[in-house]
Amino acid sequence: QKEVEQDPGPLSVPEGAIVSLNCTYSNSAFQYFMWYRQYSRKGPELLMYTYSSGNKEDGRFTAQVDKSSKYISLFIRDSQPSDSATYLCATNSNYQLIWGAGTKLIIKP
Amino acid sequence: DSGVTQTPKHLITATGQRVTLRCSPRSGDLSVYWYQQSLDQGLQFLIQYYNGEERAKGNILERFSAQQFPDLHSELNLSSLELGDSALYFCASSVSGTSTDTQYFGPGTRLTVL
Repeated sequence: QKEVEQDPGPLSVPEGAIVSLNCTYSNSAFQYFMWYRQYSRKGPELLMYTYSSGNKEDGRFTAQVDKSSKYISLFIRDSQPSDSATYLCATNSNYQLIWGAGTKLIIKP
Repeated sequence: DSGVTQTPKHLITATGQRVTLRCSPRSGDLSVYWYQQSLDQGLQFLIQYYNGEERAKGNILERFSAQQFPDLHSELNLSSLELGDSALYFCASSVSGTSTDTQYFGPGTRLTVL
């Protein structure tokens, strides 16, 4: 079992929809969770991070951690075609980040 | 633009050859990370350096080696190349190299082994 599992998609939704991207993790000791966005042929860039449990909101983006079910989510409201990208979740262990496989998101105009 | 630079952008070479990928971190960042991204494997952590010293090792093959120089730039050496080494290689940098640091990624080097 991988330490961080993420459905690679692709996930295709119409413009304006609410998008839910999810990851599960196996180790309850993980406490710091990140979402990176990667546009085609570019390096990943940090979108949001959360520590421990709860929600964090930044504009149209909300990151959520449910430690009881070892589930992390990223919600995108009012999705735009410019949100089309691959979204990678990650958590930290020692000095390393452990990455999900990334979900390819396509927002159709 | 993340401030991390990588050269070359593209590299095409033959099996059995050796190549060197170069990375310059953001100004002020002391830690450098190398990642491999292929279609079927996702983003794989290879190795991390902090201020010239190796700090963490991931799934790096013995044919691969890296170093960070006193000016903090880093090089990843790939030798005895195989077809399966074809991938995007990313360098990232961060300020202090802790696992809660934000990592800033470069644009990547696309390696094609023929």
